[in-house]
Amino acid sequence: DAMVIQNPRYQVTQFGKPVTLSCSQTLNHNVMYWYQQKSSQAPKLLFHYYDKDFNNEADTPDNFQSRRPNTSFCFLDIRSPGLGDAAMYLCATSRDQGTVDIQYFGAGTRLSVL
Amino acid sequence: GQNIDQPTEMTATEGAIVQINCTYQTSGFNGLFWYQQHAGEAPTFLSYNVLDGLEEKGRFSSFLSRSKGYSYLLLKELQMKDSASYLCAVWDSNYQLIWGAGTKLIIKP
Repeated sequence: DAMVIQNPRYQVTQFGKPVTLSCSQTLNHNVMYWYQQKSSQAPKLLFHYYDKDFNNEADTPDNFQSRRPNTSFCFLDIRSPGLGDAAMYLCATSRDQGTVDIQYFGAGTRLSVL
Repeated sequence: GQNIDQPTEMTATEGAIVQINCTYQTSGFNGLFWYQQHAGEAPTFLSYNVLDGLEEKGRFSSFLSRSKGYSYLLLKELQMKDSASYLCAVWDSNYQLIWGAGTKLIIKP
């Protein structure tokens, strides 16, 4: 089945230790998104890519970076995780941008910062 | 600013019907989505409204009134597995998806 896969499902890191989360998709969608979601809050969009065009949300901290080396893969790098970065990180895809389109989500990576 | 309001939590009984409301104030409107999210899992798409009226999909229906900035998700014949959060999300005029914080639905036997 075509899907969005995130690894790992659970990630524990130490305060200030860089961490990378990964996402892959077999849907062949053009757009990939990274969201941060904290408990009982709305998902917060961090970045999105249309193909290889990178779009950074205005209020995404510089501590967060992203890479999309090819259509199928996207990575979220947190350079120096703080306690406030503990959250669920969701990767999503959609076929296109600039149009109303369903976003398909991976199962998420739950990040804990010690 | 852009805002989506949903009740934080609702409780209903197995087999009953529940209506989850969503009101929005956004920069334009291009469509509204409802997603279901079980605890600790990713959101999954439920329904989509772009025109006024009711969209029915099995036990789930979603209603939209664009003039009132209002939508609801209606769940019939509730099952224990329907215990989840339900998120309302609106596509604004710039095709950005604005998310609500979700309504946690608790189903009791």
